Amino acid sequence: EAQVTQNPRYLITVTGKKLTVTCSQNMNHEYMSWYRQDPGLGLRQIYYSMNVEVTDKGDVPEGYKVSRKEKRNFPLILESPSPNQTSLYFCASSSTGAGYNEQFFGPGTRLTVL
Amino acid sequence: GENVEQHPSTLSVQEGDSAVIKCTYSDSASNYFPWYKQELGKGPQLIIDIRSNVGEKKDQRIAVTLNKTAKHFSLHITETQPEDSAVYFCAHSGYSTLTFGKGTMLLVSP
Repeated sequence: EAQVTQNPRYLITVTGKKLTVTCSQNMNHEYMSWYRQDPGLGLRQIYYSMNVEVTDKGDVPEGYKVSRKEKRNFPLILESPSPNQTSLYFCASSSTGAGYNEQFFGPGTRLTVL
Repeated sequence: GENVEQHPSTLSVQEGDSAVIKCTYSDSASNYFPWYKQELGKGPQLIIDIRSNVGEKKDQRIAVTLNKTAKHFSLHITETQPEDSAVYFCAHSGYSTLTFGKGTMLLVSP
C-alpha cells in the first residue's frame, strides 16, 4: 500500500531533550516536506526537500533540523525542544515539486513539550 | 510563502444544502491551487485541484473556480452529506512550496 508513515504518533517530552520524528514514504517520491498544524493557524511548512541531499527552509524553520540521506526517509530533528514546539506535525511527499502534484500526508505526530 | 486568506473559518449547513469556501492570495506567480480535506485524527487529503490555465473544474459534487485576475478561488460542494463534515484547506503554490489557508470547519447536520 502506498503510504507515508510517521513515528512516533504521540510523544510527550521535556524541554531540552533532543528528539527525532521519523518519516518514510514508499512511493519513490522526490519531494518531501514537514508541516506543523496549530489551532487557528492552519498548516505551516517547516522544511522541505526537493531530492536526496537537497533541503530548504519553509516558513517556520527555527528550532528544527532535517536531513535527506535517502530518498524514502526525511526525519525531523528537534535538538532542544521548547514548549512553543508543542504541535501536531505532518510529513508529506509528492512525486515532484509541491506546486505540481498531489501531496500525500502521513497520519501526524502529536508532540507535547513540557 | 505568500499568505492566503480563507473564509469562513466555520460553516454550518443542513444536509442537502450547498457550501462555498473562498480563498484569496497575493502571489501572482502562483499557478497551482489545491483543496485538501482533513477528517478528525487524520492527515489532509487532496480532494480537487486546479491550475492557472483553467477557470473551473468539477468532480461530481465538488467544484473549484479560479479568478486569476482577482486572485481568488473557491470550493463549491453541492448536495452536502454528513460525511462532508471536516476541515477544508485551500492552498496555493509556485513550484517548490505550498502555502495553506487557515482552514474552514464544515459541519453538515442531518
